[in-house]
Order: sequence, then C-alpha cells, then structure tokens
Amino acid sequence: TQLLEQSPQFLSIQEGENLTVYCNSSSVFSSLQWYRQEPGEGPVLLVTVVTGGEVKKLKRLTFQFGDARKDSSLHITAAQPGDTGLYLCAGPRSEKLVFGKGTKLTVNP
Amino acid sequence: NAGVMQNPRHLVRRRGQEARLRCSPMKGHSHVYWYRQLPEEGLKFMVYLQKENIIDESGMPKERFSAEFPKEGPSILRIQQVVRGDSAAYFCASSVDRNTEAFFGQGTRLTVV
Repeated sequence: TQLLEQSPQFLSIQEGENLTVYCNSSSVFSSLQWYRQEPGEGPVLLVTVVTGGEVKKLKRLTFQFGDARKDSSLHITAAQPGDTGLYLCAGPRSEKLVFGKGTKLTVNP
Repeated sequence: NAGVMQNPRHLVRRRGQEARLRCSPMKGHSHVYWYRQLPEEGLKFMVYLQKENIIDESGMPKERFSAEFPKEGPSILRIQQVVRGDSAAYFCASSVDRNTEAFFGQGTRLTVV
C-alpha cells in the first residue's frame, strides 16, 4: 500500500506551458516535503510545507498544502527544459520519511 | 559545499561478493537514513540510524543486509553475498534531528553481474 500517491506518473509538456502535479494521502501528515531528482543524482529538497492551507512560492514553483494536511500540489508556471526531472513528495511517518513514486516531468524545448 | 557524501558513486560486484556503501552525513547531523531506489520508482526506506544506534530497520531485508553508524567515521550499509536483485541506487540522507528536513547524497549505484 502506497501511503503517498502521486499523479500523474508521467507528464510531457512544451516549454512555456503551466502544469500541476499532485500528492495525495488518506492519512494526515505533520508536514510534506517536495524533492526534485535529476537522472544519476540524489533528490534535492525544494520545500517543506507545514501548516494546513499553506502556500509557498519558489520563483515559478508554487506549493500548496491541503487544509486537512492530507495532500499537496506543485504548480509550475511557464515550464522550462531545466524543470525536467522526477518530482517526489515525502512525509514523516514513524520517524522516517516515506516517499511517493514521483512524477516524471519532461519539458520539451 | 559540505553536503552528504556517498562513496563509491558506482560499484560493480559479482554475485556472491560483498558490497560496502559509505555515507558521511552533513556536518552537525547525527541522524542517517538509507533508501533504495529502483528505476522509475520512488525511494524505499531501509534503515534509520543515530550515532551507534539502529532506530528503525523495518525496511531492511532480514538476511544479508546490515547497517552501522559508528561513533567515529561514516555510516556503512553492507550487503553480503549480493544477488542480481540487489542492483539499485542506494541513497543516504542525513538530518539534524528526527522528523526534520533530510538532505540526500548523490547515491551509490550498485550493479551485480
């Protein structure tokens, strides 16, 4: 059973388009983290959301934590080829970080 | 940038050999986590250690796998008598405290031939 479900699994878009990816759970999390992973590299932490309803912005990336703290979304405005990568959400559970399977984003020039 | 350091980056082992993966956490971090990742998949938790203690090893196979984080030196993930199914990317992460942000190393890609 996957505690964190991410959708879509794959997403291929053209440069300049907007997109949203989702991270959903039936359980409440005290916080959720978003990572981006490029091929051959380790995941890099983008943001941590803590408060229900919280919205955080990181340049063209907007992260939202659901009011009930069971879900989160990542919205990218005017995607660029450099945004290509695997986007992972993760949350703490029993003193460890559990991950979704990720959304593999490809931004074509 | 004194981030999480893992070595080696790539490791090739024949079936039946031992694999040793090393992880030096970020400075000031005393919590280390090991994860395994298969292609096109997320990260699967293996083990969580603090200095000299294993806190949670619920994700680690009962046989052939072991981990340690000694008082001095890096954390070691050891896989004995490797099999083809052990081929994967193994990532280490460290944090200042439990349930705080974890920072990852670049991983060790193990290939068993």
